[in-house]
Amino acid sequence: DAKTTQPPSMDCAEGRAANLPCNHSTISGNEYVYWYRQIHSQGPQYIIHGLKNNETNEMASLIITEDRKSSTLILPHATLRDTAVYYCIVRPPGGGADGLTFGKGTHLIIQP
Amino acid sequence: SQTIHQWPATLVQPVGSPLSLECTVEGTSNPNLYWYRQAAGRGLQLLFYSVGIGQISSEVPQNLSASRPQDRQFILSSKKLLLSDSGFYLCAWSVGGLETQYFGPGTRLLVL
Repeated sequence: DAKTTQPPSMDCAEGRAANLPCNHSTISGNEYVYWYRQIHSQGPQYIIHGLKNNETNEMASLIITEDRKSSTLILPHATLRDTAVYYCIVRPPGGGADGLTFGKGTHLIIQP
Repeated sequence: SQTIHQWPATLVQPVGSPLSLECTVEGTSNPNLYWYRQAAGRGLQLLFYSVGIGQISSEVPQNLSASRPQDRQFILSSKKLLLSDSGFYLCAWSVGGLETQYFGPGTRLLVL
């Protein structure tokens, strides 16, 4: 799996958009970008994934640069409950039934 | 909809005692199943994964074992726990060919 780089921590004010960056400069053409988050003492939660086009769901938006070497996860209106560690993961499709490789992620702290 | 259950939620065990953690998935057939461990302050480590009944792949050699007696049941066991086995154990599932994994609530194990 391609390596990803994320800032270790970020702050965001409640109600504002939280923009979490991820660098994946060695991503291959068929690899997807996945985002998960882990709220303290809970299991990781899937957020969103994408290949080339920007994606949006009820939780977040994913913006992938044209060269696919980086991406940004956007939480449009952050709430205190969005405080969590956010993981950016790159994986090929059907990459097997083996597990995900979680790095250290970004600890996002939403400030009241 | 699919749901994943883990029990117990918390467990305190003495060193040398046996262990059995259970994970069940509802609402899907023939899922891929995974066991991860998260030690305190560290990232997730894949322990085992299974693509079908009786099929177990181990990622890390250790004193733990896994079994899949039924399609939607995954069990993590140990004959003799070590202090280093303490951690947060997470079960996850995915559908073959897709990379999105869905995690259970986890079991927090403390070995004393």
